[in-house]
Amino acid sequence: RKEVEQDPGPFNVPEGATVAFNCTYSNSASQSFFWYRQDCRKEPKLLMSVYSSGNEDGRFTAQLNRASQYISLLIRDSKLSDSATYLCVVSSMDSSYKLIFGSGTRLLVRP
Amino acid sequence: DGGITQSPKYLFRKEGQNVTLSCEQNLNHDAMYWYRQDPGQGLRLIYYSQIVNDFQKGDIAEGYSVSREKKESFPLTVTSAQKNPTAFYLCASSIPVNSGGTDTQYFGPGTRLTVL
Repeated sequence: RKEVEQDPGPFNVPEGATVAFNCTYSNSASQSFFWYRQDCRKEPKLLMSVYSSGNEDGRFTAQLNRASQYISLLIRDSKLSDSATYLCVVSSMDSSYKLIFGSGTRLLVRP
Repeated sequence: DGGITQSPKYLFRKEGQNVTLSCEQNLNHDAMYWYRQDPGQGLRLIYYSQIVNDFQKGDIAEGYSVSREKKESFPLTVTSAQKNPTAFYLCASSIPVNSGGTDTQYFGPGTRLTVL
């Protein structure tokens, strides 16, 4: 079983739609959780950290469910510029220095 | 401007040659990392360094070497022993939690290596 699992997609949605991604992780001791965004042939960039209480940043909402070991990302009112791959990231069981990256979920927002 | 720089952006190498990828940061971060990304796959950790003059192997260290002589610099050498070196190489840095940071890693723009 992979340490971090994501549906690769692609999720193909119209502008203005709401879309949700889920991610599951295997290490119950993980403490840090993130969503990164990666555009084609570019480096990953931090989208948001994920806290136990959930957090919201504009149109983006992230939630953590420790009991079920999954993380979610909700994007409301999708824009064309949201088209990218979204990486779920979890801290390693070995050390807080190491992060484990999911393979990503690809989102395509169409006009 | 603070940030992480990687050079070159594109690199072509003949089979059997060693090549060194540069990574420099002026964020004053203690920890630095090297990842490899293959098409359609997630990032895999090659090497990481928590402090100057110290580094540890990641999950796929075979065929690679690193050095950390300065806080700002963490070069990666891809040796001829690496069987399939063509990939996108990403360098990152962070301030670890036990140093007052948040574990968030910030990435350079990457180097795309192609072996001919």
